[in-house]
Amino acid sequence: AQSVAQPEDQVNVAEGNPLTVKCTYSVSGNPYLFWYVQYPNRGLQFLLKYITGDNLVKGSYGFEAEFNKSQTSFHLKKPSALVSDSALYFCAVRDPRQGNMLTFGGGTRLMVKP
Amino acid sequence: SQTIHQWPATLVQPVGSPLSLECTVEGTSNPNLYWYRQAAGRGLQLLFYSVGIGQISSEVPQNLSASRPQDRQFILSSKKLLLSDSGFYLCALDRDKKTQYFGPGTRLLVL
Repeated sequence: AQSVAQPEDQVNVAEGNPLTVKCTYSVSGNPYLFWYVQYPNRGLQFLLKYITGDNLVKGSYGFEAEFNKSQTSFHLKKPSALVSDSALYFCAVRDPRQGNMLTFGGGTRLMVKP
Repeated sequence: SQTIHQWPATLVQPVGSPLSLECTVEGTSNPNLYWYRQAAGRGLQLLFYSVGIGQISSEVPQNLSASRPQDRQFILSSKKLLLSDSGFYLCALDRDKKTQYFGPGTRLLVL
């Protein structure tokens, strides 16, 4: 069975500082990994994904994530946080051998303070 | 590009009343479609998914049901709502079995 863990309920960072939102996963095969962002009362917006290739993936709004197979992690990063980055972030995993299902982490609330 | 519409955006219903939430998609054909529920602004629970017209798989036993009468239409229904059905309902699609894209959501409050 596949699973995702986002160990932090909330991450606080000052504007202009780098941010990291952590994600670890468990799948039996090679994973497809995703990050989504959700603003209040909105649907989830796709940020970036890792399917294959370079371990460092760049996505929307200056975000990037690094796939680390040995640590089974896919942490989301941004070099300089903006107040407007404050939102709920979800990591998700799919095992392509197990069909269509995405498994989501519980979400991490990012608060960027001016 | 593909677009997902959800209707209504917000709904307040009494306990025991019926429910019908609609999801329609544009700009794609033969999508896989999904219904999720999000409670208390946190984790997502997959409720139903559909790989084609009339094909519905249920992930969680409950008093909800889903139907796919057309390729680009996915409906979530209930005959009698419970208080616990309150939440934010999200429709999603994927075409390449990789990235799922989400609609704007419907907020349901059962009183």
